[in-house]
Amino acid sequence: AQTVTQSQPEMSVQEAETVTLSCTYDTSESDYYLFWYKQPPSRQMILVIRQEAYKQQNATENRFSVNFQKAAKSFSLKISDSQLGDAAMYFCAYRSPGVGDKIIFGKGTRLHILP
Amino acid sequence: GAVVSQHPSRVICKSGTSVKIECRSLDFQATTMFWYRQFPKQSLMLMATSNEGSKATYEQGVEKDKFLINHASLTLSTLTVTSAHPEDSSFYICSASGGLVAKNIQYFGAGTRLSVL
Repeated sequence: AQTVTQSQPEMSVQEAETVTLSCTYDTSESDYYLFWYKQPPSRQMILVIRQEAYKQQNATENRFSVNFQKAAKSFSLKISDSQLGDAAMYFCAYRSPGVGDKIIFGKGTRLHILP
Repeated sequence: GAVVSQHPSRVICKSGTSVKIECRSLDFQATTMFWYRQFPKQSLMLMATSNEGSKATYEQGVEKDKFLINHASLTLSTLTVTSAHPEDSSFYICSASGGLVAKNIQYFGAGTRLSVL
C-alpha cells in the first residue's frame, strides 16, 4: 500500500523568505500523481501544485515549485517570497493513475509566516 | 481550477435527527466524488468514494447505514448522517473529479461543520 510521510509537523518562515516543505512517499507503481494542497484557516482545501510522475521536469506555479526526485521518492514544496497569506496547513498527497482512484494524504505541515 | 460547492457550511442539530450535506460540481461533470471527515488538527480521512449511478464504496470502519451517500447525477452527491449523535460532530469535506477540467485531480468543497447536541 502507498504511504505519504511529512516529517515536519510545523515550520516557520520570515515573510519574503523561502521555505521548503518535505514529503516522501512509498509506492511500487511507476506512474502516479503527486499533489500539494493548502488548507488555510477557512479549511477550504486548495490545490497548490501537481506533478505527474512520468514528467521529469519539476512543476512550478508562480512562487510555488517542487523538487521531484522519483528515485528517492521525494516530493518537496518550495515557497519563494513567502507571504502572510501562505500561512496554512500543507498536505502532500499521492494518487494512483486509475480513474477515480483515491488520494492518500500525508499528516500535513503547518506553516507559520512571521511578519 | 474547477469549482465544487458544498452546502451547508455549518449545521447544528439535535441528537437522533438526520442531516443531509450536498456537494455539487459547478463547472464540470464529476464522475467520481469523495467524502472525507477531518478531526481537529488532523489530516483528511476518506469515508467513501462514489461514482455516478452506482453504490458508494465505503472505507473500512465507516458505517454505510450511518453515512448514506447518493450520487444520482454527474453534478451532485449527497451525504446523509442518519440518527446523528454527538460523536458524529466533525468537519466533513467533499471532493470531485472527472471530465477534462478535473481529470486526475480532486477539487474540494469548502466543508461542512456538523455539531450534534
